Amino acid sequence: DSGVTQTPKHLITATGQRVTLRCSPRSGDLSVYWYQQSLDQGLQFLIQYYNGEERAKGNILERFSAQQFPDLHSELNLSSLELGDSALYFCASSSDIPYEQYFGPGTRLTVT
Amino acid sequence: DQQVKQNSPSLSVQEGRISILNCDYTNSMFDYFLWYKKYPAEGPTFLISISSIKDKIEDGRFTVFLNKSAKHLSLHIVPSQPGDSAVYFCAASRAGGHSGYALNFGKGTSLLVTP
Repeated sequence: DSGVTQTPKHLITATGQRVTLRCSPRSGDLSVYWYQQSLDQGLQFLIQYYNGEERAKGNILERFSAQQFPDLHSELNLSSLELGDSALYFCASSSDIPYEQYFGPGTRLTVT
Repeated sequence: DQQVKQNSPSLSVQEGRISILNCDYTNSMFDYFLWYKKYPAEGPTFLISISSIKDKIEDGRFTVFLNKSAKHLSLHIVPSQPGDSAVYFCAASRAGGHSGYALNFGKGTSLLVTP
C-alpha cells in the first residue's frame, strides 16, 4: 500500500459526459501528479500540483483540468468525454525527493 | 515522441537465475532514472532509482547499471523469485523545465519467473 488513495476505482460513462476523479496523497506529501495509461501510449504525464499551485503540465487536453485543494487532495476533471479517453488514470505523490513518486491504485475510466 | 524505450515486451527467467531488464533513452538531459514494478489491478510501485552522477546502485537483489554514453540502463535481479513476476517500467526525469519532475515512462517489460 503506497498510502495514495484514488476514488472511484472504476467509472463507466457515456461520450459527452463529465467526470471527476479524486486523489489523496500520502500524508505529508505536497506534490500530486496525474498520469494517464492507455493501451497504445503507456503512462503519460498529465499535470502536477505542488501545495495547491499548478507546477507543470504535460500533454493534457484542454477538456481536462485539475486542482489541488487546501487539504492537499486533488481532483482531475474530464469533460466532453470521447471514446479515446478510456484509460487508467493514476495519481502519484512525492515529498522531499520529487523524482520518487508513489502511485495510487488508479481509476479505470470506460467511455461508451 | 517516446523518450524512454523498453524494447523487450516480455522476458521469461527460471527461478534462481538472473533477470536483466533493459531500457534506452534519447534525452541526454535526463538526470534521474527509476524502475517501477506493477502487478495487475495495482498502481506502479517504486523499486529503485539512480542519479545520473552514478553508474551503479544496489539494493538487495536489485542492481541498476547506468551507461550515460550509450543512454542505456539495466535492472538486474539476482536471484529471481516467482514473486518478481510483474511488469517492470523504466522511467526518467529531468529537473526543471515546463515538465517539472514529471516521469517519462517506457512501455514496460513483463517478467515471468518460472519455478
